[in-house]
Amino acid sequence: DTGVSQDPRHKITKRGQNVTFRCDPISEHNRLYWYRQTLGQGPEFLTYFQNEAQLEKSRLLSDRFSAERPKGSFSTLEIQRTEQGDSAMYLCASTRLGEELFFGSGTQLSVL
Amino acid sequence: AQTVTQSQPEMSVQEAETVTLSCTYDTSESNYYLFWYKQPPSRQMILVIRQEAYKQQNATENRFSVNFQKAAKSFSLKISDSQLGDTAMYFCALDTGNQFYFGTGTSLTVIP
Repeated sequence: DTGVSQDPRHKITKRGQNVTFRCDPISEHNRLYWYRQTLGQGPEFLTYFQNEAQLEKSRLLSDRFSAERPKGSFSTLEIQRTEQGDSAMYLCASTRLGEELFFGSGTQLSVL
Repeated sequence: AQTVTQSQPEMSVQEAETVTLSCTYDTSESNYYLFWYKQPPSRQMILVIRQEAYKQQNATENRFSVNFQKAAKSFSLKISDSQLGDTAMYFCALDTGNQFYFGTGTSLTVIP
């Protein structure tokens, strides 16, 4: 296994457009997390899946954000009607209970 | 509520010297895990060291060791024989079995 994979690495979009990011976790990991990180800050929790079930979603997350994990495999994060404040690095990470998080390289989103 | 606090936004250390990064946390859970992660500039987040809360012995990984004080809810990271490649953001993290909570990070610079 090559680790957690995220696609794309970079995304530039215009304000108001929709964007979708993909994360492929390590195959045997049942827990998958999405975080948002801005420069000089720690990862900010967005949402968490255990298998295909979305167990927790940040209260800070607006209705424009949605995530899925069909069949408990890869996950997608969609942002609708993007705003300039959405510009950030979006990190995906996966793990199993009691183990550390394994992070992907992230998707850098720039909203113009 | 779970919180992780890193009170040192920036630190520097001379090459080959020792530095200690501080972290305090708060949780009502009796069983949890603690981690230190390293994020080099523009690079992926990687694990430095982990500690199970039920273990009294402090974890050690080569030049990296922790001072885990469970009663004080303190989890500091000591880096011995600092190397230029240690220059990075360091994040303390708490895993309560559902979410991972991250501190705001300490930016460490190793000076040649």
